[in-house]
Amino acid sequence: DIQLTQSPSFLSASVGDRVTITCRASQGISSYLAWYQQKPGKAPKLLIYAASTLQSGVPSRFSGSGSGTEFTLTISSLQPEDFATYYCQQLSSYPLTFGPGTKVDIK
Amino acid sequence: EVQLVESGGGLVQPGGSLRLSCAASGFTFSDHYMDWVRQAPGKGLEWVGRTRNKANSYTTEYAASVKGRFTISRDDSKNSLYLQMNSLKTEDTAVYYCARVGAAGRGFDPWGQGTLVTVSS
Repeated sequence: DIQLTQSPSFLSASVGDRVTITCRASQGISSYLAWYQQKPGKAPKLLIYAASTLQSGVPSRFSGSGSGTEFTLTISSLQPEDFATYYCQQLSSYPLTFGPGTKVDIK
Repeated sequence: EVQLVESGGGLVQPGGSLRLSCAASGFTFSDHYMDWVRQAPGKGLEWVGRTRNKANSYTTEYAASVKGRFTISRDDSKNSLYLQMNSLKTEDTAVYYCARVGAAGRGFDPWGQGTLVTVSS
C-alpha cells in the first residue's frame, strides 16, 4: 500500500499568512494526487486534483504542485473561511489512501 | 445541482448487518465510478471501496479492512449506490460518505453529507 505523510500535522496561522502543507508518498504516484478541505461536521471538499489543477469554483489563492513523491498545497493569503483540516489523497493505485490530515487553526 | 444523499445509518450490534444507500441526482449516474469513504469519530479519512460503471462491468475494489464483509453495489435505474455491511465490528463505527469519482484520477467530487454508523452492544 502507498503511505502518505503530511507535514505539519497542525499549523497555527493568521489571516493573510501564506501557508504551505507538504504531502509525501511512500512511492512514486506521478501526479495522481488530490487535496481536500474538511470543516467540522462537514464532508470533504475537493480543492486540487492531478497535483496542480484547481477544481472549478475553488479560489485561486489555493494552489498545488509536485509530482512523484513530494507534493505541496499552498494558500497564498489565508482567509477566515480557510481554517479547516486538509487531506491529501493518492489515486495512483489500490487501495486508495489519504494522508493523516493537517489542521489549520487560528493564531 | 449535483447531489449525493446517504441514508441507512444507525446503531447496530457487533456481528450485525446494515445497508447504506446513496441517492444521486443532477448528473448521469451510470457514467461514473462511485466510492465509499469513512471517517471514525475524531479520525482521518479511510477509503472503503469502489464500484466501476457498466462500461467497466461494474467491477469493484475494496480496502483490506472490509474485504469479504462489505459489498458495494449500484442500481443505475434508480441512480443509487449501496454499501452492504456484514459482520460489523466496533472499529467500523464511522461516518460513511459516498462520493462521485472524477475521470482520469480527478479525485472525488461531490461527496454526500455522510451517515453515521455506530457498532456497539
